[in-house]
Amino acid sequence: DADVTQTPRNRITKTGKRIMLECSQTKGHDRMYWYRQDPGLGLRLIYYSFDVKDINKGEISDGYSVSRQAQAKFSLSLESAIPNQTALYFCATSDLSSGPWGETQYFGPGTRLLVL
Amino acid sequence: AQKVTQAQTEISVVEKEDVTLDCVYETRDTTYYLFWYKQPPSGELVFLIRRNSFDEQNEISGRYSWNFQKSTSSFNFTITASQVVDSAVYFCALSEQGAQKLVFGQGTRLTINP
Repeated sequence: DADVTQTPRNRITKTGKRIMLECSQTKGHDRMYWYRQDPGLGLRLIYYSFDVKDINKGEISDGYSVSRQAQAKFSLSLESAIPNQTALYFCATSDLSSGPWGETQYFGPGTRLLVL
Repeated sequence: AQKVTQAQTEISVVEKEDVTLDCVYETRDTTYYLFWYKQPPSGELVFLIRRNSFDEQNEISGRYSWNFQKSTSSFNFTITASQVVDSAVYFCALSEQGAQKLVFGQGTRLTINP
């Protein structure tokens, strides 16, 4: 089984709808991240969490919110989806014990979101 | 501020050719990590390598090799005797001490033609 799973893998929604993307991990890692990938822009950080009580904004958090329900679960919500949020979304995890800056991030399979 | 530049947007070569993917980074820190990830057509991101700023030794893993040069702020990736399965988008990324996040380059799409 995959260590980092994302659901759903594909989602089509309409403008104005609220949707949630979910991420679960079995790696036992403390840190979890949400990124979005757009063609030609690489991956950009939306939110990150270093433990259940810690949530931090990334570089593009507007229009998004997150919830860290447990060490293993980190959800991303689009409060009111808009077409320019169409993208590939990735969840990632890393292990604090590896060091505060050098830990390797391991990525889930991604969720393709289309906002009409 | 940290920045990663992958100037090659797309590269196309014939199978068995050697190919080098360039990565140039900017950072004010003396302590940092550099990474390469592979994104095959299926879409997932696969970790390839991590290198810290104190270790400038080049690394080889099978047909893959990495050349880290602090003097030119570069961390280039070479695939020797390329194969069709190497076709993917490759991302270079940087993590600074204290920044607590990865910054990615724009990615290079590599196509290996039979």
